[in-house]
Amino acid sequence: AQSVTQLGSHVSVSEGALVLLRCNYSSSVPPYLFWYVQYPNQGLQLLLKYTTGATLVKGINGFEAEFKKSETSFHLTKPSAHMSDAAEYFCAVTAGGATNKLIFGTGTLLAVQP
Amino acid sequence: DTGVSQDPRHKITKRGQNVTFRCDPISEHNRLYWYRQTLGQGPEFLTYFQNEAQLEKSRLLSDRFSAERPKGSFSTLEIQRTEQGDSAMYLCASSPGDFRSYEQYFGPGTRLTVT
Repeated sequence: AQSVTQLGSHVSVSEGALVLLRCNYSSSVPPYLFWYVQYPNQGLQLLLKYTTGATLVKGINGFEAEFKKSETSFHLTKPSAHMSDAAEYFCAVTAGGATNKLIFGTGTLLAVQP
Repeated sequence: DTGVSQDPRHKITKRGQNVTFRCDPISEHNRLYWYRQTLGQGPEFLTYFQNEAQLEKSRLLSDRFSAERPKGSFSTLEIQRTEQGDSAMYLCASSPGDFRSYEQYFGPGTRLTVT
């Protein structure tokens, strides 16, 4: 079975500071990993994904994440936070197979202080 | 691409009433998913369609829930005899049937409030 743990339900950073959102996964097969962002009262937007190949993946809006198999982690980072980054972020895993259904973490709410 | 659309965006209903939600996936996406998201939680998988065939249902999908995807295009999710515990955001997602089948694109969701 697959699962995702997001450490820190709330993270607050200052504008211009480093953003680090943590995600650890559990999977019995090679995982596909995703980060999604959700703004209030909206659906989820795909930020970035890891399937195979390069372990450092770049996404939209300056975000990137590194797949570390030995640590079963897929942390999301951004060098410099913008006010517009304030949102909820979800890490998700799928093991592929017939459905590719996503298993989500509980989310991290990012606040950006001026 | 016009994206995944869902209708209505908000629904308020009284306990015991039936409700139906609609999802229009990205055209030519043959894979369609429904998820439910409650406050403070991540989305949870409800059901999956490949074309018109419903291939997987979560245990979360009680007998009061039914989903269809006639002709493999839009999908509907019906909840009968709604309960207060059904209050949630219902999200629809679609993905292509090719090598990018793992990329799911989400709609804006339908927020259901049961009073």
